[in-house]
Amino acid sequence: DAGITQSPRHKVTETGTPVTLRCHQTENHRYMYWYRQDPGHGLRLIHYSYGVKDTDKGEVSDGYSVSRSKTEDFLLTLESATSSQTSVYFCAINPGAGGYTFGSGTRLTVV
Amino acid sequence: AQTVTQSQPEMSVQEAETVTLSCTYDTSESDYYLFWYKQPPSRQMILVIRQEAYKQQNATENRFSVNFQKAAKSFSLKISDSQLGDAAMYFCAYRRAMNRDDKIIFGKGTRLHILP
Repeated sequence: DAGITQSPRHKVTETGTPVTLRCHQTENHRYMYWYRQDPGHGLRLIHYSYGVKDTDKGEVSDGYSVSRSKTEDFLLTLESATSSQTSVYFCAINPGAGGYTFGSGTRLTVV
Repeated sequence: AQTVTQSQPEMSVQEAETVTLSCTYDTSESDYYLFWYKQPPSRQMILVIRQEAYKQQNATENRFSVNFQKAAKSFSLKISDSQLGDAAMYFCAYRRAMNRDDKIIFGKGTRLHILP
């Protein structure tokens, strides 16, 4: 979707290194979310934000932190990447019509 | 806690035929949304159809329709005249409608194969 972009699209990193994924929206929506997708698990919520500097944990938040200093940007940080964090990460915005709009995802591989 | 269950990890259907994907959910809420998302090999998450729980009429979008059974907590997706482009992972999802910040909960997905 043109209103939400994620970067990078792919990343390979080493165990123990910090990693930051970026989500940028041009829609000025208040609510933003980070999910991870793994085979057999569907999408699971990591963290979400309901405004600048307002964030909260989802069901799989251990090992992740987030920041939102501007409405348009929502960053997801893996403080010290582990192999269990190899996954596809999706950012989403809530336009208010019930469903979310998703970014195109980041495939992260931790080796 | 709300849960969403998709009991069919994979399904196959012949091109031009009709297929139904199953989804059940558990909630004590009376007002909520239900969704079907499609994820093709491109990885993009695409909203296929949405149902509001207070509406008795089943939602329809072209070849996609749902069978919403609120009492049974069932929300199946029917794809008519299946096309090769329908091959994808399909996720059933739920969201409480009480607050704007209620989060979407996803099922584990059903991978749909279209046989030419």
